Amino acid sequence: DGGITQSPKYLFRKEGQNVTLSCEQNLNHDAMYWYRQDPGQGLRLIYYSQIVNDFQKGDIAEGYSVSREKKESFPLTVTSAQKNPTAFYLCASSTRGTAFFTGELFFGEGSRLTVL
Amino acid sequence: AQSVAQPEDQVNVAEGNPLTVKCTYSVSGNPYLFWYVQYPNRGLQFLLKYITGDNLVKGSYGFEAEFNKSQTSFHLKKPSALVSDSALYFCAVRGPYGNNRLAFGKGNQVVVIP
Repeated sequence: DGGITQSPKYLFRKEGQNVTLSCEQNLNHDAMYWYRQDPGQGLRLIYYSQIVNDFQKGDIAEGYSVSREKKESFPLTVTSAQKNPTAFYLCASSTRGTAFFTGELFFGEGSRLTVL
Repeated sequence: AQSVAQPEDQVNVAEGNPLTVKCTYSVSGNPYLFWYVQYPNRGLQFLLKYITGDNLVKGSYGFEAEFNKSQTSFHLKKPSALVSDSALYFCAVRGPYGNNRLAFGKGNQVVVIP
């Protein structure tokens, strides 16, 4: 079935370590996104990519990095520079963003990162 | 920049009663509006969207939403709530110009009481 796969579902990190969250989609979508979810704060956009080899910062990009080498994959690295990384991370995809985008986002099941 | 407000943290409703989850938005130009639902420790699932046309939009699982331009609102409704509707509901908005970034509200927890 088509969809978005995030791994791992749960991840524990020691302070000072970088970790990478995987996101793979087989929906043939051009655009991919990373959101962070904290209780009571809704979803905040970290990074997004509208096409392979291109990505833009979202609202809270500091302490995070991404790559988009393949259409299917959009991994997120949480670096040691991110001061409060404990959160639920959601990856999403959509048809290519244009000024007339009207399509919905398709979300993965999320990855919960806990810093020990 | 576009934004949405979901004024209630939690909505409690008895099973079988009508359910309403409120959302107001702010955007330049005509809005594109969305509702998503999230079950515990899961991703978000799309429920419905308003792009243009009829102000009453029907979506998945018996949900519908009414677009009101004068009140800048897009409230989610269900005529008869089920216990299985208990979840976190997010409203989102995008403007017609620029890129395809959505602005999400903070979410409303819905609790349906048996």
